[in-house]
Amino acid sequence: QTVVTQEPSFSVSPGGTVTLTCGLSSGSVSTNYYPSWYQQTPGQAPRSLMSNTDTRSSGVPDRFSGSILGNKAALTISGAQAEDDSDYYCVLYLGGGMWVFGGGTKLTVL
Amino acid sequence: QVQLVQSGAEVKKPGASVKVSCKVSGYTLTEFSMHWVRQAPGKGLEWMGGFDLEDGETIYAQKFQGRVIMTEDTSTDTAYMELSSLRSEDTAVYYCASEGVYYFDYWGQGTLVTVSS
Repeated sequence: QTVVTQEPSFSVSPGGTVTLTCGLSSGSVSTNYYPSWYQQTPGQAPRSLMSNTDTRSSGVPDRFSGSILGNKAALTISGAQAEDDSDYYCVLYLGGGMWVFGGGTKLTVL
Repeated sequence: QVQLVQSGAEVKKPGASVKVSCKVSGYTLTEFSMHWVRQAPGKGLEWMGGFDLEDGETIYAQKFQGRVIMTEDTSTDTAYMELSSLRSEDTAVYYCASEGVYYFDYWGQGTLVTVSS
């Protein structure tokens, strides 16, 4: 069974930079997994942030960027703001119509 | 403007079934694949299944195979997710999400399903 790993929690100061990662329990994440990222605040539906590794969704500020770092997908927030305090999820496409979400990262901005 | 509007909250007894609907507007169901994702209280997102455009069939996560059926009514542009043999662990918010190019671009508002005796 494929497990997608994310840091459970992260903390960043306002104006700081933070990189969240998305890995595989066995193997490396590449662009072939089409990693995408979602932001979710309490009581709200997830919102698409990034698709296909590094394509920002409509309306997403350019302080958000995506990449592959080593063997993981990464979401970097440069110049974090208070409104970025949220949960972040990555999802990978495994092929054959199958998808799997990571466990999510709770980002605190303080 | 694309919108996905889901049906209202449900309370079900263990062993029962639930059917959640997701009506789309701003596009037609035949244009995109629809997926279903759930989130148990205080937990993360979990992909349940969705339509695979490449193979033209609905794919279910192994965990839900045999217990979930996802259908679409293209005449009303409404997608449905039916989960049977409900147990307390199925208490969750269920989301429909449309697939863009290898990502989930639009999401419904979520439907809370509570399973309780």
